[in-house]
Amino acid sequence: ILNVEQSPQSLHVQEGDSTNFTCSFPSSNFYALHWYRWETAKSPEALFVMTLNGDEKKKGRISATLNTKEGYSYLYIKGSQPEDSATYLCAPRGGGADGLTFGKGTHLIIQP
Amino acid sequence: DAMVIQNPRYQVTQFGKPVTLSCSQTLNHNVMYWYQQKSSQAPKLLFHYYDKDFNNEADTPDNFQSRRPNTSFCFLDIRSPGLGDAAMYLCATSQGGGYGYTFGSGTRLTVV
Repeated sequence: ILNVEQSPQSLHVQEGDSTNFTCSFPSSNFYALHWYRWETAKSPEALFVMTLNGDEKKKGRISATLNTKEGYSYLYIKGSQPEDSATYLCAPRGGGADGLTFGKGTHLIIQP
Repeated sequence: DAMVIQNPRYQVTQFGKPVTLSCSQTLNHNVMYWYQQKSSQAPKLLFHYYDKDFNNEADTPDNFQSRRPNTSFCFLDIRSPGLGDAAMYLCATSQGGGYGYTFGSGTRLTVV
């Protein structure tokens, strides 16, 4: 079982501001790192799957970076909008494992 | 649209009374997963199927069973629910490998 830490646990951000949060995971036996967005009353939605050290991925105003050597990933949101309010889950996958181990998530609230 | 559907959305069951949660997919994905998420905790993998091959996590209680009669359907059976089994149960599918998961919207189980 992987030890996955996400910080902060919750975050209040003013609409229009940019923000970022962190996922830490064991760097040994790394295979992939997933990010999901989970809005209340909806299904978790896949944002990114990252595999290579130094990977940067972008989807609209959201981007993510990956450092597999030190075991962390950052998720960035530029110009936060109310629809960005959600819980953001990261989930690393170790080599040889079929399932993802999720962190507790960062609960993001965008204040108008 | 291709999707993952979980029924019911909310389930109330009595202490000790067997209950079955269902998940269906139209994506034709090989892999189906069941996760349990208790309040303020990370989603925890219970088990998964790779095609017909069943994979149980080591710490999943014997009280939890699963069936996958065909590619499209997967069931979670809780033989004797206890109060501690109250949680959100998430079903997810994947093509395997480095692909992201597609989640259902979950079933919230209450045990009374």
